[in-house]
Amino acid sequence: EIVLTQSPATLSLSPGERATLSCRASQSINTYLAWYQQRRGQAPRLLIHDASNRATGIPVRFSGSGSGTDFTLTISSLEPEDFAVYYCQQRKTFGQGTRLEIK
Amino acid sequence: EVQLVESGGGLVQPGESLRLSCVASGFTFNINWMSWVRQAPGKGLEWVANIQRDGSAGFYVDSVKGRFTISEDSAKSSLYLQMNSLRAEDTAVYYCATETGNSNSYYFDNWGQGTLVTVSS
Repeated sequence: EIVLTQSPATLSLSPGERATLSCRASQSINTYLAWYQQRRGQAPRLLIHDASNRATGIPVRFSGSGSGTDFTLTISSLEPEDFAVYYCQQRKTFGQGTRLEIK
Repeated sequence: EVQLVESGGGLVQPGESLRLSCVASGFTFNINWMSWVRQAPGKGLEWVANIQRDGSAGFYVDSVKGRFTISEDSAKSSLYLQMNSLRAEDTAVYYCATETGNSNSYYFDNWGQGTLVTVSS
């Protein structure tokens, strides 16, 4: 079974800064990775699928990259509403999440 | 766009049963698979079960096999999760979600707002 490891566990940044979140798979998963955002008290929301494809309605400041075992979610310039928890997912497995908090 | 609304959560004692429901509306014609995903308080996301829309196949995480049963009623655009022999560790918010993709790469593109299940004596 594939294990997804996200880093860092917590990322402290200021609005306007660039955020880089990592997800590492225990074995190669090609580009079969999705990213989700979960704001406090809300359901998860799909951001990126197949490693680099933005979901419908997702702002262009969100981008995904990577293949094989190493993947990155980048938020180019943080908006106040971006401070949330982010999860990566491959098939039935989720990463443990990265909390993006205001510095 | 698809809207999903869950119901049926509540407080139950260990060993008791509960049935969750999820009703889909909007552009539901191309939904092929649906899942239940749960989130224990303060924890991450855990996939629980999924089912093909025609009910021909369903799969479960090991921890709920033999206790939970997923089913669907396409005519009612509804998804269900029958949960028996509930344990304290089943306490979580349960989300229904639609799946898009194929056997190698699928993702959860629509989510309900979740329904809270609390198992406690």
